[in-house]
Amino acid sequence: SQQGEEDPQALSIQEGENATMNCSYKTSINNLQWYRQNSGRGLVHLILIRSNEREKHSGRLRVTLDTSKKSSSLLITASRAADTASYFCGCQGAQKLVFGQGTRLTINP
Amino acid sequence: GAVVSQHPSWVICKSGTSVKIECRSLDFQATTMFWYRQFPKQSLMLMATSNEGSKATYEQGVEKDKFLINHASLTLSTLTVTSAHPEDSSFYICSATRTPKVMNTEAFFGQGTRLTVV
Repeated sequence: SQQGEEDPQALSIQEGENATMNCSYKTSINNLQWYRQNSGRGLVHLILIRSNEREKHSGRLRVTLDTSKKSSSLLITASRAADTASYFCGCQGAQKLVFGQGTRLTINP
Repeated sequence: GAVVSQHPSWVICKSGTSVKIECRSLDFQATTMFWYRQFPKQSLMLMATSNEGSKATYEQGVEKDKFLINHASLTLSTLTVTSAHPEDSSFYICSATRTPKVMNTEAFFGQGTRLTVV
């Protein structure tokens, strides 16, 4: 079964607004990774946060990790139309990287 | 970042035939590669872990004889869908991590293969 669950499943916002996506997982992890996927394409790595880290930034991206609640969030600030895509959290165990259901993000111009 | 190339990008085949998909790490060596399957608007489902020089490890519910995986070198893994049926139509994606495997390192994904069985 999938390790992660994401919400919302779909999110539609106006350009310039911030977008927040959440990911929850069930078992212990070594790290959690966020990926982006444009329709019909492969996954592009966005950011990796280790199990001993609580927050990480990369450009307009901010990721948090709460291992006590087994949850993570991805915040995209000042969204752009080009941010429209599906976003997945990947939970990295000893070897396998298992993905959540994903959030389909639509940025309206 | 490292590059993973997947070939072909799309393929249409007749029911009953077999299709081979290749996954290559172009600028790094990958002891381990992963194969995923993705249905439209759904998540990636891990099918199997491909280990160079040894047998692949399949996830529960994935038929080993149906989805043959070969990882003959540190830069190439192949997935063969045998006796394909329309229900095998899907998007197949591979990923690879660097060797030696380092914890807390990102995975690099191929661009995916769209398989349509008619």
